[in-house]
Amino acid sequence: ETGVTQTPRHLVMGMTNKKSLKCEQHLGHNAMYWYKQSAKKPLELMFVYSLEERVENNSVPSRFSPECPNSSHLFLHLHTLQPEDSALYLCASSQGTSGNNEQFFGPGTRLTVL
Amino acid sequence: GQNIDQPTEMTATEGAIVQINCTYQTSGFNGLFWYQQHAGEAPTFLSYNVLDGLEEKGRFSSFLSRSKGYSYLLLKELQMKDSASYLCVRERVTGGGNKLTFGTGTQLKVEL
Repeated sequence: ETGVTQTPRHLVMGMTNKKSLKCEQHLGHNAMYWYKQSAKKPLELMFVYSLEERVENNSVPSRFSPECPNSSHLFLHLHTLQPEDSALYLCASSQGTSGNNEQFFGPGTRLTVL
Repeated sequence: GQNIDQPTEMTATEGAIVQINCTYQTSGFNGLFWYQQHAGEAPTFLSYNVLDGLEEKGRFSSFLSRSKGYSYLLLKELQMKDSASYLCVRERVTGGGNKLTFGTGTQLKVEL
């Protein structure tokens, strides 16, 4: 257990569905991240939030919409996804965003888009 | 991963030593992380190097040469549970905080 939880662990959705991924960190960290991990590809940073403000949007399509209501919770709202969006979505948190800030990862949500 | 090179796969014997190499782009470089990821699980932190030299932590050690854009992870006394993917991760500090770029990972298989 890393102190970062994600729900659901698995999600299957159609291209017309709307769903949300949830991440919660119990570490008192100030920064939270969304990553995408596709098969045979490296982790790709999607979004970074620091003190509840988005500080990075890594050219992610608008069908992915993040929300950070407080420093402990992070959501990723999904709508009209494509089959190529099927991947493992990982949430992470860190104390800050500068210097040696080890990131703690959640277990991920395995998303399948039909 | 973008501008990070590490071998795709390695195989080693239980009890042996293995070195996983990583080269990376030096522009904007701040530090180098190594993460371990077992199949179906989240990555977990192993080490962080910002200065040249070797950092030792139990059976695992990590080395960095900033001028050469080179790092390695050394695993000693290999155990079966060390079979996992090892991710070389470059840190670059930007105006918005540190940004991590992940390598594709080296899949290590430990055999009897």
